[in-house]
Amino acid sequence: GESVGLHLPTLSVQEGDNSIINCAYSNSASDYFIWYKQESGKGPQFIIDIRSNMDKRQGQRVTVLLNKTVKHLSLQIAATQPGDSAVYFCAENIWNSGYALNFGKGTSLLVTP
Amino acid sequence: DVKVTQSSRYLVKRTGEKVFLECVQDMDHENMFWYRQDPGLGLRLIYFSYDVKMKEKGDIPEGYSVSREKKERFSLILESASTNQTSMYLCASSHQRAPNTEAFFGQGTRLTVV
Repeated sequence: GESVGLHLPTLSVQEGDNSIINCAYSNSASDYFIWYKQESGKGPQFIIDIRSNMDKRQGQRVTVLLNKTVKHLSLQIAATQPGDSAVYFCAENIWNSGYALNFGKGTSLLVTP
Repeated sequence: DVKVTQSSRYLVKRTGEKVFLECVQDMDHENMFWYRQDPGLGLRLIYFSYDVKMKEKGDIPEGYSVSREKKERFSLILESASTNQTSMYLCASSHQRAPNTEAFFGQGTRLTVV
């Protein structure tokens, strides 16, 4: 099937800086995207989602940007905190093709003091 | 809060054993999923179910089967466990509403086959 991939497997940022995690997708029919956060020893937790009719969505300290032209998705975390250290996954879905999400391989974010 | 509960956090089984991984959700979700997570490979879909007694193969169904006799429960079965099935297994559930909705995950079961 189509793949969802990440540009960087690991990212190290200093506390207080902004973080940007990138994701590329290859299926132009993908119309729903989610970012998940997975802390060590836990299952993935929903952070934020975006539908293909939008190019930006903001949450609390997080922003997701969608560029359908180049099939690129990014997660921006403002004022990164030690508690943000985790693995971040992007996932995609194609409406009307089923409800299963297709996941990328993940990016490990390490926040240093 | 949505709760997806996997019956075991850690399991150690012997090669050739039949293994059952159980998952229960309490939000009346129609969809349930089993993923496998391996380092560097992300989450890969094994099986999913849209309704009771219905199942669909995901990307890597070989060596696995599933059972969904009740809406809240989705079981993953390893008919004859092998060492290459050592992995983290994640169960998830979601509502069946258009156009899309996020999946909620359990805490995972780390299975070791020796």
